[in-house]
Amino acid sequence: DVVMTQSPLSLPVTLGQPASISCRSSQSLVHSDGNTYLNWFQQRPGQSPRRLIYKVSTRDSGVPDRFSGSGSGTDFTLKISRVEAEDLGVYYCMQGSQPKYTFGQGTKLEIK
Amino acid sequence: QVQLVQSGAEVTRPGASVRISCKASGYTFTDYFIYWVRQAPGQGLEWMGFINPSGGSTTYAQNFQGRVAMTMDTSTRTVFMELSSLTSEDTAIYYCARGLRSTTCYWGQGTLVTVSS
Repeated sequence: DVVMTQSPLSLPVTLGQPASISCRSSQSLVHSDGNTYLNWFQQRPGQSPRRLIYKVSTRDSGVPDRFSGSGSGTDFTLKISRVEAEDLGVYYCMQGSQPKYTFGQGTKLEIK
Repeated sequence: QVQLVQSGAEVTRPGASVRISCKASGYTFTDYFIYWVRQAPGQGLEWMGFINPSGGSTTYAQNFQGRVAMTMDTSTRTVFMELSSLTSEDTAIYYCARGLRSTTCYWGQGTLVTVSS
């Protein structure tokens, strides 16, 4: 199975400041169809997960443009340009390029 | 609107099995895979597998191979996930989801399964 490794696992942030989360895969996530199925999910406390970004950089409907995704191959990044209070929670990357999907360990975004 | 509604919380014993349902509505049932993801208390998300409602084929994560079965009933637009040989480590919230990979993503509300003697 593809192993997804996120860093950091805990990210203290100041509101209004940027934040960045890294996700690395144990093998290339380029699918045979040419797409790279690397997604980012947000989970606020007590809520079901919500997908923010799919295929590396496409924001889901309703996701604020302060969230952006980038990367290729095995290295990917989620960036928040200016953290707001509602952004606090845990963020997960997930690969869907192999038949058996896998999630990263999660990164907890919290107030500094 | 698209909805995935899961069955209620379960309390069960070690060694037993549990079966959770996920009823889909608001879209063509056979057009989208249904995935199962679980989350143990205070832990991260764990992908369990999926079922293709168009034909019923399944793919399971290695960690659950031999212990999980995902089935469906197209007449009621319901997908089932059964997990057997339960231990306390299977205590978790179990989610069904649609469109994890690239189409519009929807999640069920989650089902808490507690395994306790």
